[in-house]
Amino acid sequence: EVQLQESGPGLVKPSQSLSLTCSVTGYSITSNYWGWIRKFPGNKMEWMGYISYSGSTSYNPFLKSRISITRDTSKNQFFLQLNSVTTEDTATYYCARYYGGYAYWGQGTLVTVSS
Amino acid sequence: DIVLTQSPATLSVTPGESVSLSCRASQGISTSIHWYQQKSNESPRLLIKYASQSISGIPSRFSGSGSGTDFTLSINRVESEDFSVYYCQQSYSLPHTFGAGTKLELK
Repeated sequence: EVQLQESGPGLVKPSQSLSLTCSVTGYSITSNYWGWIRKFPGNKMEWMGYISYSGSTSYNPFLKSRISITRDTSKNQFFLQLNSVTTEDTATYYCARYYGGYAYWGQGTLVTVSS
Repeated sequence: DIVLTQSPATLSVTPGESVSLSCRASQGISTSIHWYQQKSNESPRLLIKYASQSISGIPSRFSGSGSGTDFTLSINRVESEDFSVYYCQQSYSLPHTFGAGTKLELK
């Protein structure tokens, strides 16, 4: 069974970088697409970007100057880095597999941006 | 970006009623729409893909329809476990976008 699990700091200071890891079991990240999606307080969902089976990336233009998604195929993990965070980046961050819809999601991790 | 407008924002129903949730796209997206259910403190769950394709393990009371700009998620005879928030999401073009959600609540 495909399982995803996010990990990383739950608190980040403004202007710093947010870094999260998504560990995948049961499926190789060298197939399909692997994305990051966040949900803000108040329920708004935002697609942040994804990394493909080949390692190519696509990002939400709204975030393009601050976001980077990378991977380590040897560990079957992919990563999110979001730079220069503000309080507006406080959200629950999910990693998910895309293949005709996002059928598999991690449990989500709340990241709070606060000094 | 493609904007998805969901309506209504909140739908109050009693168990046993059948309901329809709407999602309208700002431009034609063929059938590249997917529906999710999200309960409090849980991850979203994919209910329907590509407008009307069923997902293994999802109860048959959930169905989807539509193409172009107008899409509908139907729940036949709502059960108590169905009270949650429902989102549509498009994969026609990048960036993928989500609707604002419809909250299905107990009347």
